[in-house]
Amino acid sequence: AQSVTQLGSHVSVSEGALVLLRCNYSSSVPPYLFWYVQYPNQGLQLLLKYTTGATLVKGINGFEAEFKKSETSFHLTKPSAHMSDAAEYFCAVIQHTGNQFYFGTGTSLTVIP
Amino acid sequence: NAGVTQTPKFRVLKTGQSMTLLCAQDMNHEYMYWYRQDPGMGLRLIHYSVGEGTTAKGEVPDGYNVSRLKKQNFLLGLESAAPSQTSVYFCASSYSDAVALNYGYTFGSGTRLTVV
Repeated sequence: AQSVTQLGSHVSVSEGALVLLRCNYSSSVPPYLFWYVQYPNQGLQLLLKYTTGATLVKGINGFEAEFKKSETSFHLTKPSAHMSDAAEYFCAVIQHTGNQFYFGTGTSLTVIP
Repeated sequence: NAGVTQTPKFRVLKTGQSMTLLCAQDMNHEYMYWYRQDPGMGLRLIHYSVGEGTTAKGEVPDGYNVSRLKKQNFLLGLESAAPSQTSVYFCASSYSDAVALNYGYTFGSGTRLTVV
């Protein structure tokens, strides 16, 4: 069974500070890994994904994430937070033989001016 | 430029009432999904469909029914609403498994349902 854990339901950072949102998965076979972002009163938008190849992937708005198989992790980072980054972030996994995503419980990011 | 459209956007129901949420997509996607989003629980899959005329249960199907009579529409029904069904409901779609694996889903903007 798939399992996705996001540590920290709420994260606050100062504007310009590093953003680090954690995601760990539980699967015997490494899945495909995604990060979605949800702005207030909107649906989810794809931020970035890892399927195969380079383990460091870059997404929109300066975000990136690194797949670490040994740690079963896919943490999301951004070097310098911007006010517009305030949103809810979801980590999600899907097996390459599957047809549905499993989502983490989400992390709400607050950016302090 | 519609993508995935959900109607209504907001609704308040009394316990025991019924309603139908409509999801419409104009991208010729085969796969469609209904999720509910609750604080601290993320998104949980209610039902999904892999093509016109097909539906399947997800993680939390109890109390809901769905229909996919037309490829572009996926309806979610609540036969007898309960306060536990107060949630934000999201519809999502994808062209195929392969597309979902590489590009994720396209989501609607959600329906906020309150059952009193």
